[in-house]
Amino acid sequence: DTAVSQTPKYLVTQMGNDKSIKCEQNLGHDTMYWYKQDSKKFLKIMFSYNNKELIINETVPNRFSPKSPDKAHLNLHINSLELGDSAVYFCASSQGAAYGYTFGSGTRLTVV
Amino acid sequence: KQEVTQIPAALSVPEGENLVLNCSFTDSAIYNLQWFRQDPGKGLTSLLLIQSSQREQTSGRLNASLDKSSGRSTLYIAASQPGDSATYLCAVRPTTGGGNKLTFGTGTQLKVEL
Repeated sequence: DTAVSQTPKYLVTQMGNDKSIKCEQNLGHDTMYWYKQDSKKFLKIMFSYNNKELIINETVPNRFSPKSPDKAHLNLHINSLELGDSAVYFCASSQGAAYGYTFGSGTRLTVV
Repeated sequence: KQEVTQIPAALSVPEGENLVLNCSFTDSAIYNLQWFRQDPGKGLTSLLLIQSSQREQTSGRLNASLDKSSGRSTLYIAASQPGDSATYLCAVRPTTGGGNKLTFGTGTQLKVEL
């Protein structure tokens, strides 16, 4: 009955590899997001999709590519991983501007 | 560009004390403000959501206030307990544009000691 679920929870990989993180929400929300939390614990938005349409694309390297097959899913694919990509990635969803966000539990990515 | 600051960055208090966490933002054109807590190695749990038209919201021992014109919000925790130990984050949502993205504060790391 988890509202926003991400997989995997932990991901350790070597530089240069390609990896994906999956996110699913069962709240019926129209908008989904990817946030990155850096080593200083600061959270910053990366992407946002509204009903499968990309609406926010912050200054993120094009090695990061989000994909939303339907409004309940938002996946993040990362090509050619670099050491600096190590962080915790959070998926979130919301329904309308008047409502709050619901966050997933995060995916801790470590690039070695 | 919206900037959100939280003071103090860290706080340690004895159990039972009432405490106040502060959040300030530079652009008052916000739709709402949300307070979260984050436990070590965990995700974000929503605590309170205050709409721009509201002055405060309460949930149990938590009370959040909002003064939009001065760009400030406070989170009041009554009778603190060790289980309240966590990092507390505030985040604001813009009124227009920005695609409803949240801008987060820098967080306050709270430790409540026995």
